[in-house]
Amino acid sequence: DTGVSQNPRHKITKRGQNVTFRCDPISEHNRLYWYRQTLGQGPEFLTYFQNEAQLEKSRLLSDRFSAERPKGSFSTLEIQRTEQGDSAMYLCASSWGRASGDAETQYFGPGTRLLVL
Amino acid sequence: SQKIEQNSEALNIQEGKTATLTCNYTNYSPAYLQWYRQDPGRGPVFLLLIRENEKEKRKERLKVTFDTTLKQSLFHITASQPADSATYLCALLPFTGTASKLTFGTGTRLQVTL
Repeated sequence: DTGVSQNPRHKITKRGQNVTFRCDPISEHNRLYWYRQTLGQGPEFLTYFQNEAQLEKSRLLSDRFSAERPKGSFSTLEIQRTEQGDSAMYLCASSWGRASGDAETQYFGPGTRLLVL
Repeated sequence: SQKIEQNSEALNIQEGKTATLTCNYTNYSPAYLQWYRQDPGRGPVFLLLIRENEKEKRKERLKVTFDTTLKQSLFHITASQPADSATYLCALLPFTGTASKLTFGTGTRLQVTL
C-alpha cells in the first residue's frame, strides 16, 4: 500500500489553457473525493465517486470542471479555460465506504498545486 | 449558513506543555467530527474521529472532546513536542449513509518551541 498519489505535484499554466490532474487512490478503496484548498483555508469539497459513479458535485464545481473515474480506479480532474481564481491546491482522498453509512477514514494525497498566470 | 470556526491565529506553546485547540460550529448538526494534521505542502492526515454520542476519545498523547450542546470540540496534545508543529484542521460529517463529505474548518497552526 503506497497511499494516495497525485500527479503532477505542481502545475503552472496560462489563463485560458486546459489542465488535467490525476489521482491514484489506495487500491482497495471504493470511494474517491476531490477537494480544493486555497491559502489559509481548509479544503473544500468538490466532488465524489463511489466506484465509477460520480454521485455528488459541489456548487463550487463550475461547468469548466469535469471529473472522471472510468474504471473505478484512478480519477482525473480537468479544468477547461483556466482562470486565475482557479489557482489552488487540488487534493484527492480515498476511502473504503461501507453500506452502513458509518463514517470512514479518508486518506489524502499530497495534492496538485495549480498556479494560473 | 453553516460555519466552522477555528482560531486563525497561531498557537505558540513550549515543549512539554499541553496544547488545546478549539473548533466551534454553527447551523450544523454533525454526526461525526474528525481532526486532521496538515504539514506545509502536504495533504491532511487523519488523527481522530469522535461520534456525536461520544464525549471524549483518546489516542496516545491526543485527546478530543465533543460537546454537541456547546457545538464545540476541543483537541488536546499533551507533552507537546516540536514535531507536533503543524496546522490542525477539524472536519464535520453529517450522517448521510452514502458519503462522508467532509466540511473543514480553516485550521489552527500550532508551533511548539524548545
